[in-house]
Amino acid sequence: QLTQSPSSLSASVGDRVTITCRASQGINSNVAWYQQKSGKAPRLLIYTASTLQTGIPSRFSGSGSGTDFTLTISSLQPEDFATYYCQQLYSFPLSFGQGTRLEFK
Amino acid sequence: EVQLVESGGGLVQPGRSLGLACGGSGFTFGDYAMHWVRQAPGKGLEWVAGINWNSVSIDYADSVRGRFTIARDNAENSVFLQMNSLKVEDTALYYCAKDHLKWELTPDSFDIWGQGTMVTVSS
Repeated sequence: QLTQSPSSLSASVGDRVTITCRASQGINSNVAWYQQKSGKAPRLLIYTASTLQTGIPSRFSGSGSGTDFTLTISSLQPEDFATYYCQQLYSFPLSFGQGTRLEFK
Repeated sequence: EVQLVESGGGLVQPGRSLGLACGGSGFTFGDYAMHWVRQAPGKGLEWVAGINWNSVSIDYADSVRGRFTIARDNAENSVFLQMNSLKVEDTALYYCAKDHLKWELTPDSFDIWGQGTMVTVSS
């Protein structure tokens, strides 16, 4: 089971933002992060906890291993306001966190 | 362009069946594991099922095991989801997603997603 926090977050352009994902048991580095904008399919940002997917801006970064993981956006841009999900791929059934909605302050 | 396109969604009564399809293009479809993920209206993402490249390895979420069947036809570059004994709580937008890694059902992420097909279960 994955628990994301916070469930929602208000921030401004230029802010540094961190989203946390905690697993109920150790899952090595088998975590991915996705961004989903309203009415759109999810987009892969980060895999294996810290590897940036091709084409994703470097302001996105991921870290962690074991049970605690973070997604950081170093300087928020207008296009970053969306919902973010973590996913564990350590064991089946695969599962997602409940999501973090990032809103404009 | 790498692309996935789902089809087959619609309105169906509880207890009935529905089949979804997803066609892939722009990549060697038969090399990759494929997955179905759903999203109920206003809710989060839920992984539904996955299948490896040659259909030997398959797994399901507990919520659909025994009712849903995932299958693929590599000659047709397609993956399918047969949904039987549908329940109201199966109402969702169903996405197909490509595994980032080749061959086996040992994913590290889903790198390509379709736009989804909506399934509504209601009397």
